[in-house]
Amino acid sequence: GAVVSQHPSWVICKSGTSVKIECRSLDFQATTMFWYRQFPKQSLMLMATSNEGSKATYEQGVEKDKFLINHASLTLSTLTVTSAHPEDSSFYICSARGPGVAGVNEQFFGPGTRLTVL
Amino acid sequence: GENVEQHPSTLSVQEGDSAVIKCTYSDSASNYFPWYKQELGKRPQLIIDIRSNVGEKKDQRIAVTLNKTAKHFSLHITETQPEDSAVYFCAGIQGAQKLVFGQGTRLTINP
Repeated sequence: GAVVSQHPSWVICKSGTSVKIECRSLDFQATTMFWYRQFPKQSLMLMATSNEGSKATYEQGVEKDKFLINHASLTLSTLTVTSAHPEDSSFYICSARGPGVAGVNEQFFGPGTRLTVL
Repeated sequence: GENVEQHPSTLSVQEGDSAVIKCTYSDSASNYFPWYKQELGKRPQLIIDIRSNVGEKKDQRIAVTLNKTAKHFSLHITETQPEDSAVYFCAGIQGAQKLVFGQGTRLTINP
């Protein structure tokens, strides 16, 4: 149980275009989802936290108008990178947690999406 | 907010030996400390976690110890095997919700 999927697993786009990444909880209701960004050989950096039906809370330094997060249902959150530029190239990972799934603090990670902006 | 420091950044041990990775945290209110293993291009996998009401937890070759007074916790891997080679991350929890990750340790097991 507690499986999280992401789609796509990798994407290449041209500079200036927008890319949408989906994060789904397959067998539990994810009341909270998190979006992380990981640059090569670095740690995971939290970008934003989203609770179902509410606006996302962004970490300091993360542009909310550039990284649009929607968490419209208990099983789906989306991250849209708008007007992507080469510096946005990174590994984007979502995680989810929900009531009654493992420990109260445990998060379940998606497999990640590798974004390359040309 | 929470700040988690992890060291060493790289660790190389001989197969069969033990490996220890240490983390310190800043927020005395933190009460949950997970450890993740991440292989190249893959998602982080939870390998063990500990809550602040215990000092040690063990799962086969992996153990975690917690010193709340000193605000540090450590991952211990015994009888290391080549498949233990990966990047390991510790984390602390901030505000009962957000995970704050350490910088990571690249562990290499030499055959």
